[in-house]
Order: sequence, then structure tokens, then C-alpha cells
Amino acid sequence: QVQLVQSGAEVKKPGSSVKVSCKASGGTFSSYAISWVRQAPGQGLEWMGGIIPIFGTANYAQKFQGRVTITADESTSTAYMELSSLRSEDTAVYYCARANGTTVIRRYFDYWGQGTLVTVSS
Amino acid sequence: EIVLTQSPGTLSLSPGERATLSCRASQSVSSSYLAWYQQKPGQAPRLLIYGASSRATGIPDRFSGSGSGTDFTLTISRLEPEDFAVYYCQQYGSLFTFGPGTKVDIK
Repeated sequence: QVQLVQSGAEVKKPGSSVKVSCKASGGTFSSYAISWVRQAPGQGLEWMGGIIPIFGTANYAQKFQGRVTITADESTSTAYMELSSLRSEDTAVYYCARANGTTVIRRYFDYWGQGTLVTVSS
Repeated sequence: EIVLTQSPGTLSLSPGERATLSCRASQSVSSSYLAWYQQKPGQAPRLLIYGASSRATGIPDRFSGSGSGTDFTLTISRLEPEDFAVYYCQQYGSLFTFGPGTKVDIK
């Protein structure tokens, strides 16, 4: 059974960075793209970007270009999402999600992590 | 960017009733790259439907999806108590966008 287990909740100051991890088990990590989706409190879902672990290539939503970095470590089957220059509007639950194939785009998300709450507050 | 609009915003129904949820795209969704997810409070989204009409693994057959182009529908034939949740449509033909969601609550 595929499982994505994310790191725990974070509280950050405005202007700082946060790095969230997503460890995969039960499947072939390198064979599937991983995307990151966030959800602000009481709001909808927003795609941030994704990565193909076997190639290490990432695609980012234009809104987050220059502020988000998505990486993957095949040796530990773990994907990471780092968001910099944090502001209060970045307070959200961040999810990793597995795509149903080896490309980031044109894929739906068949497995999701449990979510990581990132709170940005002074 | 393809913008998705969902209606209604809230659907109040009783267990056993039929639910019909709509998702409309601002431009045609290529190759029916349209998915539906269910989300319950405090939980991650769960894939229900992909390719506009294909049920994901383990999803009961009371859930069905239809549509093409710019208009898509999720139908729950008979609501069970565990179906009361928020439902999101997502297009994945041109990067990714999600609709704002439809909340199905108990009448």
C-alpha cells in the first residue's frame, strides 16, 4: 500500500524559509512524479509545483517561481518542498501528492500525504 | 490559466438522496483531463474520478462522473452518511487548477 508521510507542523517568522518533507513507501518512488499542493485555512486547493524524482527536474506554478524549490532524494524515497520569504498569506496546510505516472503534468493525484500545517506569524 | 467554477457552493441533502455537482471550465479541458476529489475535515483530498468518468480504485459505484469540453458533472446516486464532505474538481490538462469546491451537507 502506497503511503506518503509528511514532516510535522512548523511555525515560522515572516521572511524566513520552511522545508517540508514527504517520505514515500509501498511503491517505486522514482517511477512517479510528486507534486505539492497547499490549502489556506478554509480555502481551496492550489498547485505549487512538482518533480520527477528519477530526473530531478521540477515544474513550478508561475505564482511561486523564484520562491519555491522542490527536490527529491531517491536514496531515501523522500521529496522536499522549500518555500522562502514567508509571509502571513503562506499560512496553510501543505500536501504532497503522487501523480499517476512519470511526468509532472497531465497527471491526476492518486495518493496524498497527510498534510503539514505551516503557520507564519511574528 | 483554466479557471474552474463549481456549483452549487453548498448542497443540502438527506441520506439516500441523489447529489448532482457541476464543474465548469473557462476553456475546453483537453482530453477530458478532469478529476474529482472528496475532502473531509482534517483530512487530505481523496481521488474519486479521473479522466472525467473513470472511478479510482476502491471508489463505490454510486459515484459517477460525466462531461467533456467545458462542462462536467459528479453524481452521487444515493448519499451515504460518509459522503457528506467537500468535493473539488481539478483540471490537469494545462498544468493544474482546482475548483473552489462544493460542500455537501446534511439537510
